[in-house]
Amino acid sequence: DTEVTQTPKHLVMGMTNKKSLKCEQHMGHRAMYWYKQKAKKPPELMFVYSYEKLSINESVPSRFSPECPNSSLLNLHLHALQPEDSALYLCASSPLGETQYFGPGTRLLVL
Amino acid sequence: GIQVEQSPPDLILQEGANSTLRCNFSDSVNNLQWFHQNPWGQLINLFYIPSGTKQNGRLSATTVATERYSLLYISSSQTTDSGVYFCAVERDNQGGKLIFGQGTELSVKP
Repeated sequence: DTEVTQTPKHLVMGMTNKKSLKCEQHMGHRAMYWYKQKAKKPPELMFVYSYEKLSINESVPSRFSPECPNSSLLNLHLHALQPEDSALYLCASSPLGETQYFGPGTRLLVL
Repeated sequence: GIQVEQSPPDLILQEGANSTLRCNFSDSVNNLQWFHQNPWGQLINLFYIPSGTKQNGRLSATTVATERYSLLYISSSQTTDSGVYFCAVERDNQGGKLIFGQGTELSVKP
């Protein structure tokens, strides 16, 4: 099973809301990732978790807060977002240093 | 940081035609992947190919690591091949930090 699941598929939120994105994998991968993709652009790395510890933060604003409760689950908590944060948020997982497998993404619209 | 350049940026093909997509990168890498992003946004793994040649059905890929480029070949293209093709690389000891090229947008016409 090479599936990474993400929920919700779509999310609309106001600038004062708090919401969370969820990502799950059951492939035993020890690395998990969050990427952000704007329209007509490539994905850009936001965060990397390795063995459930945050190993890379690509200078992401604090209104994005990642969490890795266990080796299968990755969350992205959202608070006080701006309209320019509207994008496709992609989660991925991999064995360390190997192929990254992506989920279907969450399309986020911030009003 | 490492630069990843893909060409061509756009490509329109008639169904049944063949094509070659190119990815140049500016430094040595220990990970190179090709992805297809479908119109719904799903990134689908095509190849993990830091070096050598691989084939999967109508698709094949070759990476010449010493010359810092990779090629993706699509033969007998189908309308379902439409979408954006991304090359992504990772340098040594970067902890999984994939750097994506700008992509090639492929449109296959019936």
